This record gives sequence, C-alpha cells and structure tokens, in this order.
Amino acid sequence: QLQLQESGSGLVKPSQTLSLTCAVSGGSISSGGYSWSWIRQPPGKGLEWIGYIYHSGSTYYNPSLKSRVTISVDRSKNQFSLKLSSVTAADTAVYYCARAPMVSPGAYAFDIWGQGTMVTVSS
Amino acid sequence: QSALTQPASVSGSPGQSITISCTGTSSDVGSYNLVSWYQQHPGKAPKLMIYEGSKRPSGVSNRFSGSKSGNTASLTISGLQAEDEADYYCCSYAGSSTPHVFGTGTKVTVL
Repeated sequence: QLQLQESGSGLVKPSQTLSLTCAVSGGSISSGGYSWSWIRQPPGKGLEWIGYIYHSGSTYYNPSLKSRVTISVDRSKNQFSLKLSSVTAADTAVYYCARAPMVSPGAYAFDIWGQGTMVTVSS
Repeated sequence: QSALTQPASVSGSPGQSITISCTGTSSDVGSYNLVSWYQQHPGKAPKLMIYEGSKRPSGVSNRFSGSKSGNTASLTISGLQAEDEADYYCCSYAGSSTPHVFGTGTKVTVL
C-alpha cells in the first residue's frame, strides 16, 4: 500500500527558504496518472493547496504562492520536494504531501496523505 | 481564486442527520463534478470521504453521502455517531490554473 512521509526542517528563520521532502513508499512516483501535491494548514485554520507536480516534472502552483514556490521530483529517490522562499510567520503551518489521481475514478481527489510535518517560522 | 464557503459549525444529536454546504462559483463547483470531501480529526491528516461529488471510497461508511445543486455542494451524514465529530473540508477542481480550491472548513459537533 502506497505511503507518503514528509521530512525536513521544523524551524526556519524569517526571510529564509523552507525545504521539505515527501518520500513515497509502496509504489513508484514515476507511474503516470497521478499528481503529487503539497498542502498546508496553519494552526487552527483551514487547508490551503500549495501546488503539485506530475511524474514528468510539470508543475502547477497556487497563484497566491507561485512567486515563492518550487516543487521538484527526484525519481531516483522516489520522492518530491517543496521549497518556499522568503518565509514569514504567516507560513507557519503543518505541511502535508498528498496524491491525487488525474483521471476518473477519483480525479482531483486527494486519496493518500502523509502524516504532516509542523514548520515554524521564527527567529 | 477564493476559498469555497462552508458554515463554521454544524451540530446534531446521535442518530440524527446533518448536512454541510460548500458554496463556490460557476468557475469551480458549478462547472465541474469534481468536488471532494475530507474528514479531519484533531492532530490527524485529512481523510477522503467523498470524491467526484457523490462517490464513496472503499471503506467509507454509507452514512456519508454527497450531492450538488448549482454552485453548492453538500455532504450529508446520516445516523450521526460520536466518531463523526471532526472538521470537514470540501475541495473543488477550479480549472487548469487553480486545480484545487479548498473550503473554509466546518466543525461538526455531536451533542
């Protein structure tokens, strides 16, 4: 059964770059038909989609974050990564990685999630 | 692209039915049959409950059902149980420029 696991720095200083990785196990990120997303949730608030990447490397980002976000894939390590630059306290959140099929059944629904990792932006 | 609008809270007694609304626009909910619903317990990752508006993944109780009318999608929980107490989020496809838009979230309380 496919599983996702986030990892990365839990504390980032303001103006620096947040870096997270999502390791995929039990399946290959290179198999087609899925997008691989990053989603975040500030403490006590709702979910916000950050962006996704296809196995091909094509990316789509939330327009509100697009100027600061880079998502990349490392097929050799079966993982994908998030970089968010120029962070502020507003970027403090639990960050999730998730998978969504691109075609029916289940198109554009996040069917598998990582457990999430808390990132705090503070000096 | 603005977040989809959900009521902040909905409550019901055990055994009752409740409905959570998710209001979007003709650019998202109204244009695509691609609304999904997620259940999130405190400290846990969200769990997919409904996809493509009304379909249940394997293992999800048939007490959960989804529907759509115009720009508003709805999640109904029938036979409310204590374990249903959680936050619920809708999410809609909104076109290639913004593939995923989440709702504001609804806290369900079982009285």
